[in-house]
Amino acid sequence: GENVEQHPSTLSVQEGDSAVIKCTYSDSASNYFPWYKQELGKRPQLIIDIRSNVGEKKDQRIAVTLNKTAKHFSLHITETQPEDSAVYFCAASDAEGSARQLTFGSGTQLTVLP
Amino acid sequence: GAVVSQHPSWVICKSGTSVKIECRSLDFQATTMFWYRQFPKQSLMLMATSNEGSKATYEQGVEKDKFLINHASLTLSTLTVTSAHPEDSSFYICSARVRDRRTYGYTFGSGTRLTVV
Repeated sequence: GENVEQHPSTLSVQEGDSAVIKCTYSDSASNYFPWYKQELGKRPQLIIDIRSNVGEKKDQRIAVTLNKTAKHFSLHITETQPEDSAVYFCAASDAEGSARQLTFGSGTQLTVLP
Repeated sequence: GAVVSQHPSWVICKSGTSVKIECRSLDFQATTMFWYRQFPKQSLMLMATSNEGSKATYEQGVEKDKFLINHASLTLSTLTVTSAHPEDSSFYICSARVRDRRTYGYTFGSGTRLTVV
């Protein structure tokens, strides 16, 4: 099955700086890569996703890059704000195939220091 | 958008009792529901995949007789934790894949915090 590794486990940045979180996956059949922000006791919230036919996607301060050859994808948050502090999870799935479940990375606790 | 309603949001039960968690898809038909468990400061781990009208598929290490999953209709999937013990205390969350003509994604229930005392 799919295995998703995520680094770093914790990340502290100064407000206004950029934050980068990286993930690798093992199953070359995976074709859908979402990123979620989760606050304590809440459901994961989708912040951005990318599909395997796209190398990069941007939405305001958030961007995701995908390298299918190397099987890794990254989340980039620019101009970080204190409200960006949360746990971020990457995930992967073969969303149109038989193994359609999401496999999550281990999570990154992001702290934005004012 | 596609919404999954999950109840209860939290429950406290005595050791040895059973607890049922429900997930309903409100505005779409969820032929498949994924059930995850999340321990504090850990990731979401897939427990099982339920398919409407058939038996659930459990991940390795998940006891199917302890975590009973029923998916009797296209809009309702339930997870019953039987004979709960303190080590079953966790955050349980369901998820369904949502697909329309243009794209697909996943929607999550709001989660159930189970505390077994």
